Amino acid sequence: AQKVTQAQTEISVVEKEDVTLDCVYETRDTTYYLFWYKQPPSGELVFLIRRNSFDEQNEISGRYSWNFQKSTSSFNFTITASQVVDSAVYFCALPGYSSASKIIFGSGTRLSIRP
Amino acid sequence: DVKVTQSSRYLVKRTGEKVFLECVQDMDHENMFWYRQDPGLGLRLIYFSYDVKMKEKGDIPEGYSVSREKKERFSLILESASTNQTSMYLCASMVNTEAFFGQGTRLTVV
Repeated sequence: AQKVTQAQTEISVVEKEDVTLDCVYETRDTTYYLFWYKQPPSGELVFLIRRNSFDEQNEISGRYSWNFQKSTSSFNFTITASQVVDSAVYFCALPGYSSASKIIFGSGTRLSIRP
Repeated sequence: DVKVTQSSRYLVKRTGEKVFLECVQDMDHENMFWYRQDPGLGLRLIYFSYDVKMKEKGDIPEGYSVSREKKERFSLILESASTNQTSMYLCASMVNTEAFFGQGTRLTVV
């Protein structure tokens, strides 16, 4: 079965600290994608990144970086020099590879950045 | 830009009422989904549809039904609303494994 685990329910850090959000997944698919979404207080889920299981290179986008490790089935997300605007709930998700598959979400990590 | 629009941001309904939550997407996507989001439980899949008139149960379909008469519209129906269906409901459409979400409907059943 497909499963996504985000063990950290809530994290609170002071502004400018680095913070890493953990994501561990289970899948029987040999090829798959992984997503991270941000949900700010407004409620709408904002797409952050999609990673193909073929590509294990780390990705960096500004202050955001992602560490994908197939050997440990993890897809962790790091925010460098956090800002108050980063406060949100973050979800890791695992869609099936076929187009008709459903998306499985982790339970989310609520990140609070204190000024 | 892909747009997924949910008909209401906030709804208050009475116990026993029949409730319709509407979702429309403008990109001709085949796959559409309804999730509910509750604190500590993340997003849980209620129903999804991969084509017109096609539907599949998700993880928590009890108390809900869906309708997909046209490709762009996916409706979630609460046949007889109950207080335990008070939640945030999120609609999504997907193409090539990329999902796009609506703004959510916060439903309160009193």
